[in-house]
Amino acid sequence: QKEVEQNSGPLSVPEGAIASLNCTYSDRGSQSFFWYRQYSGKSPELIMSIYSNGDKEDGRFTAQLNKASQYVSLLIRDSQPSDSATYLCAVNIPDSGGGADGLTFGKGTHLIIQP
Amino acid sequence: DAMVIQNPRYQVTQFGKPVTLSCSQTLNHNVMYWYQQKSSQAPKLLFHYYDKDFNNEADTPDNFQSRRPNTSFCFLDIRSPGLGDAAMYLCATSRDPGLAGDNEQFFGPGTRLTVL
Repeated sequence: QKEVEQNSGPLSVPEGAIASLNCTYSDRGSQSFFWYRQYSGKSPELIMSIYSNGDKEDGRFTAQLNKASQYVSLLIRDSQPSDSATYLCAVNIPDSGGGADGLTFGKGTHLIIQP
Repeated sequence: DAMVIQNPRYQVTQFGKPVTLSCSQTLNHNVMYWYQQKSSQAPKLLFHYYDKDFNNEADTPDNFQSRRPNTSFCFLDIRSPGLGDAAMYLCATSRDPGLAGDNEQFFGPGTRLTVL
């Protein structure tokens, strides 16, 4: 059973602070991990991808992966009101043929940045 | 700009009346996916095409079918929509389904389906 768990929130963070979003996954075979941002009524937008243990930074965003703990997180520095959205954690699990069955998503964390 | 396009953006149909949703891409990606997202829920994979190979999720109802006539286009057919099929339907593409770095999925804007 492929499961991706996120705290649904809402997570309220003051403007300019660091927002920390967390995600756990159940399948140890998971190889690829993604964070998507989704504004209300819109489609998911890829923010970060991460494939190996450690940190990956892109601008104000840092993704962190710990495969031993089956844990992936997203940090947003200097949070802005425009960061207010639902953040979806997604996991891609390879099949035995070298392909994959698409993404398994968590239900998302609703982030609110307070001005 | 390379992109994923979905038409129509909003679709209203009647209970039981077949409907077709369209997706096209200019990214020249090998894989095209269809997801269903209901209100306040996670996107759920329905099926995907890797080139011409069709991969159906085990729990996707038979009411949902898909066609990929060429690399650029993919269609979602709902043969007899029920009230429970009202949702946002998302098309996504990737270069490869599993290869790290090539398996990033990019979504179109979605089609919101209403069933009356």
